[in-house]
Amino acid sequence: GEDVEQSLFLSVREGDSSVINCTYTDSSSTYLYWYKQEPGAGLQLLTYIFSNMDMKQDQRLTVLLNKKDKHLSLRIADTQTGDSAIYFCAEKGSGAGSYQLTFGKGTKLSVIP
Amino acid sequence: NAGVTQTPKFRVLKTGQSMTLLCAQDMNHEYMYWYRQDPGMGLRLIHYSVGEGTTAKGEVPDGYNVSRLKKQNFLLGLESAAPSQTSVYFCASSYSAHEKLFFGSGTQLSVL
Repeated sequence: GEDVEQSLFLSVREGDSSVINCTYTDSSSTYLYWYKQEPGAGLQLLTYIFSNMDMKQDQRLTVLLNKKDKHLSLRIADTQTGDSAIYFCAEKGSGAGSYQLTFGKGTKLSVIP
Repeated sequence: NAGVTQTPKFRVLKTGQSMTLLCAQDMNHEYMYWYRQDPGMGLRLIHYSVGEGTTAKGEVPDGYNVSRLKKQNFLLGLESAAPSQTSVYFCASSYSAHEKLFFGSGTQLSVL
């Protein structure tokens, strides 16, 4: 099946930028997503990018997509302690099973005050 | 709007017991999903539904059954619980296949 890979941990100092990376295998991916999970809660959509885009910016968030290398990244500028959470990369294909999202294992972001 | 509501929030079962997890959404969404989340495994899709009266298998369907008798409800059943089903279960819904998912707050299930 399709696979989505992320590093498991990232630690940054408050005020620095965070970059969370993700690679995926499905070349037919149509949408790629970043979800955020705070402790004891469900996932919330942070942002998404359509596969024909290279970049999307939304306030402190910048998503970069390299479709050739199947690499997605999420940059959080001026990282705050409230950004501490688990971040999941997810992709949706276009073929059979395109109802389903394939999630990475999640990157736990720790922000040091 | 309440969004996506899951009940119960916590449950402890003995091996072999049965139970049903309820998911309710008030957003008139067509699509509903059940995921399980395990440490180091991310989220894995158990079953999903693309509309009232329909269900389909996801990545890890064995040991679970689902029903979607009403559009707003999606039930996940465990007929004979096993310790391997100890997990956090999340329900999600979306308006269409390409719209964002709204998640419930999860059900923590322990099977002893």
